[in-house]
Amino acid sequence: ELKVEQNPLFLSMQEGKNYTIYCNYSTTSDRLYWYRQDPGKSLESLFVLLSNGAVKQEGRLMASLDTKARLSTLHITAAVHDLSATYFCAGDFAMNRDDKIIFGKGTRLHILP
Amino acid sequence: NAGVTQTPKFQVLKTGQSMTLQCAQDMNHEYMSWYRQDPGMGLRLIHYSVGAGITDQGEVPNGYNVSRSTTEDFPLRLLSAAPSQTSVYFCASSSFNYGYTFGSGTRLTVV
Repeated sequence: ELKVEQNPLFLSMQEGKNYTIYCNYSTTSDRLYWYRQDPGKSLESLFVLLSNGAVKQEGRLMASLDTKARLSTLHITAAVHDLSATYFCAGDFAMNRDDKIIFGKGTRLHILP
Repeated sequence: NAGVTQTPKFQVLKTGQSMTLQCAQDMNHEYMSWYRQDPGMGLRLIHYSVGAGITDQGEVPNGYNVSRSTTEDFPLRLLSAAPSQTSVYFCASSSFNYGYTFGSGTRLTVV
């Protein structure tokens, strides 16, 4: 069964602190994605990770991929209130030349001023 | 460049009614998908398509039909609406290695 599991599902943290969101997936994934969703809005693409060891950074967010451990992380450095949102990881599972992108349940991040 | 356009944005249906959610993209993407989003459940894949004329089922396909007659359009049909189909629906399209671009969503309520 294709599964993508995120933890934690809810995170409340102070501004200025660092934290990591974890994303585990159940089987080989060709690609791993991170998305951001603000309340009542659509999903915005943050990172696309294509290979083992891939690391991408944008501002205070950094994503990495370890395909051997089937693990991706989203690290937040010196959090600011504007980063409050729900973050989703998604695995791209290519099966029989078809692509299924399966999402985790999301991590709701609340950053306290 | 409009990206992915979904219509309508809001819809209220009575149980048993049918309707079609429209999705169109202008990026010439081969891959398109429909997801539903429910509180605490993340996004669940309903149906997806890897190109015109090719569709397949996702995690929760029951009660929904799709077709892909053109690269641009990927409508989702609810055959006989049920309260359990109350949700927010997202259409998305992608090109290889670039992840999905999502539409703005359709908030559907079935009463």
